[in-house]
Amino acid sequence: EPEVTQTPSHQVTQMGQEVILRCVPISNHLYFYWYRQILGQKVEFLVSFYNNEISEKSEIFDDQFSVERPDGSNFTLKIRSTKLEDSAMYFCASGGTGSQPQHFGDGTRLSIL
Amino acid sequence: QKEVEQDPGPLSVPEGAIVSLNCTYSNSAFQYFMWYRQYSRKGPELLMYTYSSGNKEDGRFTAQVDKSSKYISLFIRDSQPSDSATYLCAMTLEGTYKYIFGTGTRLKVLA
Repeated sequence: EPEVTQTPSHQVTQMGQEVILRCVPISNHLYFYWYRQILGQKVEFLVSFYNNEISEKSEIFDDQFSVERPDGSNFTLKIRSTKLEDSAMYFCASGGTGSQPQHFGDGTRLSIL
Repeated sequence: QKEVEQDPGPLSVPEGAIVSLNCTYSNSAFQYFMWYRQYSRKGPELLMYTYSSGNKEDGRFTAQVDKSSKYISLFIRDSQPSDSATYLCAMTLEGTYKYIFGTGTRLKVLA
């Protein structure tokens, strides 16, 4: 069964550094998403991406964050100047259409020291 | 009032029991309703996806939506120890595709 894959599974970074989290969505999907889950809290929406542009973003997704689909298979989340509070699990998801259910990867655990 | 409310549990049941998991929501504009299962250190795994009020069955799982009461449920029949996980409800508002999740209910099925 096709799946969403995310790398790395765990990223440890010093505060103030930049990180790039990578995702390979399901191959025929057109809609891509990033969510995060701070330890002990609920999963929160960050951004959705369709047709090579952001279609929706949350208040969390400020100028510190950016997304890119650099080629036909990868979808990346870049976090600039990381802060301690950016420590969380980051999940990538993809969907065939906007209304079809989203399928999630296993996440990248980001630890900011 | 939170948009989506879900009892965090933990909920412990014996193997073979019927499990009922619930979410309530405040905004009548929610239109799509999903249930995900999340094992420790893993991503959410889609279990059920519904749009209209009523029941939808898939194997041991039944999803129920009551839009008039703003209430959704997931029933698990003949529960197994492998069902032990956190169950997340999620829903989307009309005109948007972002998911709004509940806090998740931790379920333990005891052998």
